[in-house]
Amino acid sequence: EVQLVESGGGLVQPGGSLRLSCAASGFTFSSYAMHWVRQAPGKGLEYVSAISSNGGSTYYANSVKGRFTISRDNSKNTLYLQMGSLRAEDMAVYYCARDRKLLWFGDALDYWGQGTLVTVSS
Amino acid sequence: DIQMTQSPSTLSASVGDRVTITCRASQSISSWLAWYQQKPGKAPKLLIYKASSLESGVPSRFSGSGSGTEFTLTISSLQPDDFATYYCQQYNSYLWTFGQGTKVEIK
Repeated sequence: EVQLVESGGGLVQPGGSLRLSCAASGFTFSSYAMHWVRQAPGKGLEYVSAISSNGGSTYYANSVKGRFTISRDNSKNTLYLQMGSLRAEDMAVYYCARDRKLLWFGDALDYWGQGTLVTVSS
Repeated sequence: DIQMTQSPSTLSASVGDRVTITCRASQSISSWLAWYQQKPGKAPKLLIYKASSLESGVPSRFSGSGSGTEFTLTISSLQPDDFATYYCQQYNSYLWTFGQGTKVEIK
């Protein structure tokens, strides 16, 4: 059974940093691109970032470019999102999700984690 | 970035109704469109990919159509479990974007 379990969310002050993790199991993690999607309280889904299966290619939404870094450790079956210079508008539930396509990007997101809440407040 | 616009934003319907949600892209995305269902406090669930392909395990009352810039999600006979918010998402470019969502409410 495919499972994605996010962790690392919490309360952080504006300007602070936080690292989210997403532990994957039930599939060959190193064969799939992975994504982060967020959802502010009461709002819709917003795409955040993507990383290729081998970590060699990454993409970011303009709203987080230069502040967030996506990475992965295929030996640990874990996806990361390092978030810096956090703003009030970054407050959201952050989901990790798997790309349907094997080895590269370019498909829908077929499995999602349960999400982890990031609160940005002083 | 490609903008995705869903309509309506809210839809009131009864059990058994046929429901249609529209998603328009600001430029052509071929058939690179997915539909997701989300219930309160839960992660999104993939329903449809490549505009019209039904994800495994999704009931056949869900269907998708369209290509280019206009797409629809249809629920042929609305069931109690279908009251939720639905999102479209394009993956034509490496700047994936979602529509703003359509909430399907009980009439």
